[in-house]
Amino acid sequence: AQSVTQLDSQVPVFEEAPVELRCNYSSSVSVYLFWYVQYPNQGLQLLLKYLSGSTLVESINGFEAEFNKSQTSFHLRKPSVHISDTAEYFCAVIIAGGTSYGKLTFGQGTILTVHP
Amino acid sequence: EAGVTQFPSHSVIEKGQTVTLRCDPISGHDNLYWYRRVMGKEIKFLLHFVKESKQDESGMPNNRFLAERTGGTYSTLKVQPAELEDSGVYFCASSQISPGFWDTDTQYFGPGTRLTVL
Repeated sequence: AQSVTQLDSQVPVFEEAPVELRCNYSSSVSVYLFWYVQYPNQGLQLLLKYLSGSTLVESINGFEAEFNKSQTSFHLRKPSVHISDTAEYFCAVIIAGGTSYGKLTFGQGTILTVHP
Repeated sequence: EAGVTQFPSHSVIEKGQTVTLRCDPISGHDNLYWYRRVMGKEIKFLLHFVKESKQDESGMPNNRFLAERTGGTYSTLKVQPAELEDSGVYFCASSQISPGFWDTDTQYFGPGTRLTVL
């Protein structure tokens, strides 16, 4: 069975500082990788996903994540955070190949708090 | 276009009572998923509907949970009788059904229903 580990439950940073939210996964088969974000009082929103091809994927709001197959990691980074990035971030996987029908397996979540 | 909606946003009930949660997916989305997050734990899959059929209910905790999706539109999740450990946030998500793209279609989540069982 697959599993996802987010190594930090809380990450406090100052505005305009860089940030990295770490995610490692365990799976015996190929997976697709996702980062979701949940802003206060809202539902989860897809931030970015890795399906295939280039191992570096980017979101529209400046986040990027790099798939590292050898280290089974999919860390999320942003070079300069804003107050509005304060949210909880979830790393998730789906088993590739069609057998999971889109069932997401999530990590425990990382609360990013950006201080002025 | 309206997003995924869930009702109620909060529910506080006593142990042994019954609660029904509702999810309205995005119009035209045939895939509907239920997930749950117990406090301090990760979000976990409960079940998956394709239209009105249950595709996968492997995550349902026990037979106190009953999910339905009559007519392939909205879905309900009933907990009867509720126990303390059922407390948590219940999320619903929907996605379009694209043949061959089950795993890659974006799932759109609702805001969740926070259930507290006292």
